[in-house]
Amino acid sequence: KAGVTQTPRYLIKTRGQQVTLSCSPISGHRSVSWYQQTPGQGLQFLFEYFSETQRNKGNFPGRFSGRQFSNSRSEMNVSTLELGDSALYLCASSPFTGNQETQYFGPGTRLLVL
Amino acid sequence: QKEVEQNSGPLSVPEGAIASLNCTYSDRGSQSFFWYRQYSGKSPELIMFIYSNGDKEDGRFTAQLNKASQYVSLLIRDSQPSDSATYLCAVTVRNYGGSQGNLIFGKGTKLSVKP
Repeated sequence: KAGVTQTPRYLIKTRGQQVTLSCSPISGHRSVSWYQQTPGQGLQFLFEYFSETQRNKGNFPGRFSGRQFSNSRSEMNVSTLELGDSALYLCASSPFTGNQETQYFGPGTRLLVL
Repeated sequence: QKEVEQNSGPLSVPEGAIASLNCTYSDRGSQSFFWYRQYSGKSPELIMFIYSNGDKEDGRFTAQLNKASQYVSLLIRDSQPSDSATYLCAVTVRNYGGSQGNLIFGKGTKLSVKP
């Protein structure tokens, strides 16, 4: 079974721009969660989508948004990028919502904001 | 603010020794507890989860949970250089409705196993 895939793997943007990251879950998985990882704050939950609906949301500003398509693929968007948005963005998929024991992470997208 | 605390390390142990990693959490309603391993430059991978008080063993790994003390630990027996990584503790937090929601991660403990 193919794992979780994320595109692009690396991205450089400038302040004020917006960015869209993509995540394709493991086949059959319907839940996709997004996380931000930085050296200072560690791994922080952004949001979770299940069956095209946002089920949980972390404590991030409204500049961070996401969506999920009918094939369970998910995208997250960050508008008006700030320097502090530089991070590794990870998505994780699981068969069902709240199913963390079978949650698998993708390789991540490393975003650098200049 | 719901928190998960870990000693950042680095924790250095000789090859063959037992590595002990500790984690405390603030949400008394948390019911699920996870240990992830993250190699440098890689994404986290789940190595253990535990739901009930006591010990849970899986190969060289033992997870220990004490809900009264809000404490979770991971023991790695016969540590190998390949175990050198950052270990992340994660805990589910309660939603406002009382159901278990998303994961809160600690900042991780860096383990170094010396040959």
